Amino acid sequence: LAKTTQPISMDSYEGQEVNITCSHNNIATNDYITWYQQFPSQGPRFIIQGYKTKVTNEVASLFIPADRKSSTLSLPRVSLSDTAVYYCLVGDSQTGANNLFFGTGTRLTVIP
Amino acid sequence: DAGVIQSPRHEVTEMGQEVTLRCKPISGHNSLFWYRQTMMRGLELLIYFNNNVPIDDSGMPEDRFSAKMPNASFSTLKIQPSEPRDSAVYFCASSLASNTEAFFGQGTRLTVV
Repeated sequence: LAKTTQPISMDSYEGQEVNITCSHNNIATNDYITWYQQFPSQGPRFIIQGYKTKVTNEVASLFIPADRKSSTLSLPRVSLSDTAVYYCLVGDSQTGANNLFFGTGTRLTVIP
Repeated sequence: DAGVIQSPRHEVTEMGQEVTLRCKPISGHNSLFWYRQTMMRGLELLIYFNNNVPIDDSGMPEDRFSAKMPNASFSTLKIQPSEPRDSAVYFCASSLASNTEAFFGQGTRLTVV
C-alpha cells in the first residue's frame, strides 16, 4: 500500500498561491493521485485527480513529476473560505480503489 | 440528486446499547465506503463495498462492528455493544466506481456515554 506524507499545517495570506506537496514514494504503476478538501463538520470533498504531468480544473491544479513519487496541489489566489484540511490519496493497486486511505492531511489556514 | 444521505445526524447512546447508522448512496453508484473520523486517528476506512459485496473490511475494529448492504440503495453500520471509545463521526461515501470521485455524506456524530 502506497503511503502518503504531507506537511501537517500551512498558513497563507489571502490572494496568495498555495502549493501543498505530497510524497508517495511507493506509488504503483496503476495508482492515481487524488486530493480531497474537508471543512469542519463536513465530509471530504473531491478536488482533483491525476495520473501524470499536469491536471487543471476550475478549483486547482495538480502537478505530478515524471517519477510520480510526489505531487503538488496548487490553489491559486486563496481566500478565507479555502481554510480547510487537504488530503492526498493514492490508489490501492490490489483493489483498484482510489478513495480508501486518507493520511493525516494538511491543515491550511488562510489569514486576512 | 440529494447526495449521500446519512441518518441520524447525531446519536447519543449509553454504553452497551446497540447503534445502527444508515446510509443511502447516490443512485447509480456502485461503490460504498464507511469511514470513522476522530481527532486521534483521523479518517479511517472501516469497510468498502462494490456492487453490494464487501471487498475490504480489514478496517472494521472488532467483532462489535458489522456492516451490511442489502441492496444498491441502502447500507447500515451496526455497533453492538457500543463503547465510549466508539465515539466519533462516521461518514458514508459512494462513487460510480471504486476508482472514481467519492461523494461523502454529512456524517453521523456518535457519542457513547
